[in-house]
Amino acid sequence: QQQVKQSPQSLIVQKGGISIINCAYENTAFDYFPWYQQFPGKGPALLIAIRPDVSEKKEGRFTISFNKSAKQFSLHIMDSQPGDSATYFCAASMLYNNNDMRFGAGTRLTVKP
Amino acid sequence: EAGVAQSPRYKIIEKRQSVAFWCNPISGHATLYWYQQILGQGPKLLIQFQNNGVVDDSQLPKDRFSAERLKGVDSTLKIQPAKLEDSAVYLCASRFTGSTEAFFGQGTRLTVV
Repeated sequence: QQQVKQSPQSLIVQKGGISIINCAYENTAFDYFPWYQQFPGKGPALLIAIRPDVSEKKEGRFTISFNKSAKQFSLHIMDSQPGDSATYFCAASMLYNNNDMRFGAGTRLTVKP
Repeated sequence: EAGVAQSPRYKIIEKRQSVAFWCNPISGHATLYWYQQILGQGPKLLIQFQNNGVVDDSQLPKDRFSAERLKGVDSTLKIQPAKLEDSAVYLCASRFTGSTEAFFGQGTRLTVV
């Protein structure tokens, strides 16, 4: 049962470019939307997260855009760097209901020098 | 601060054998999760503990998978007997009560041959 759909599966961007990854969710009860970054051989690490009471959150080069009516959210990586090459997962959870997260399938980002 | 510790890092077993994974969460984190991450997919929740009680095990294949967290700290996940389709990375994560962020371990990569 896929509750969070993520696209694209893979993305290649030139250094300095903008990387955009999109996610859509089904359950309107979700109220917490984190993005995780995973390097090979490592566990996922929280990158940035948003609650549905705001439409955008920015932390450094990373921005989440959130569209509650469309049930969609996206991650934008500005000035992409080779060190950003990793797999990115979006997720959604219900904070009031044990906070178990449902993950998207992941996007493998490659930033070319 | 020490992170979530998991062992072993890698395990290769034959189908129908049994295997166990161990997780030591971050000190003070009452919530502990086990996730299964099949290659090319996002993590899928298997079981969630709050202290030593099970909060959600609805996606745990209980005919072959079991997990325990006897003293509310360390946890073990067992598979008996293993099937080929159990080949995956098993991730443990923990979260401090009241916090939204879950911290992941490096995972155990299981290969069933």
